[in-house]
Amino acid sequence: DAEITQSPRHKITETGRQVTLACHQTWNHNNMFWYRQDLGHGLRLIHYSYGVQDTNKGEVSDGYSVSRSNTEDLPLTLESAASSQTSVYFCASSDLAQGQQYFGPGTRLTVT
Amino acid sequence: GENVEQHPSTLSVQEGDSAVIKCTYSDSASNYFPWYKQELGKRPQLIIDIRSNVGEKKDQRIAVTLNKTAKHFSLHITETQPEDSAVYFCAAPVYGQNFVFGPGTRLSVLP
Repeated sequence: DAEITQSPRHKITETGRQVTLACHQTWNHNNMFWYRQDLGHGLRLIHYSYGVQDTNKGEVSDGYSVSRSNTEDLPLTLESAASSQTSVYFCASSDLAQGQQYFGPGTRLTVT
Repeated sequence: GENVEQHPSTLSVQEGDSAVIKCTYSDSASNYFPWYKQELGKRPQLIIDIRSNVGEKKDQRIAVTLNKTAKHFSLHITETQPEDSAVYFCAAPVYGQNFVFGPGTRLSVLP
């Protein structure tokens, strides 16, 4: 069955380190998204991609970057981790740009 | 930035009663409106969605209504059950931002 996976599921890192969170989907969806979820803020869009080599900034993109070299993967990189980036990160994909999004299981990141 | 407002933030109902959650948006070009349910510790999952060419959509105990003139859409859950307890998120497309999610409503269904 098609699925969307994230790794690692839990990560503890130190301030200033570079961190990369992986997202892999086998739906063959063109559209992929990264969100962060914090209490009181719901899901906030970090970056999104409508296809290979396409990336776009979301609402809270500062301090994050993504690259899309193939259809299946959209890794999220924190260039220099900060304590404010402690959060739960969800990756999602969709067939239509405005259509159902399928979410991964999430990555809980703690920056100490 | 663009906001999607969602009310109430918390909602408690007795089992068997109905629950209504409302979202408002501001981008008049929006034409797709989903609702997601997130159980504790789990990922969000779509429960129902509606496109702007219809005013209402039903799926068993769940319905969504859309008022494009007033720019709001609502989730209706009838005959609530304990397994309906979760956080519910609405979302609306926003030009240049893809989707913006509401802050969520924590629904508790009391036995």
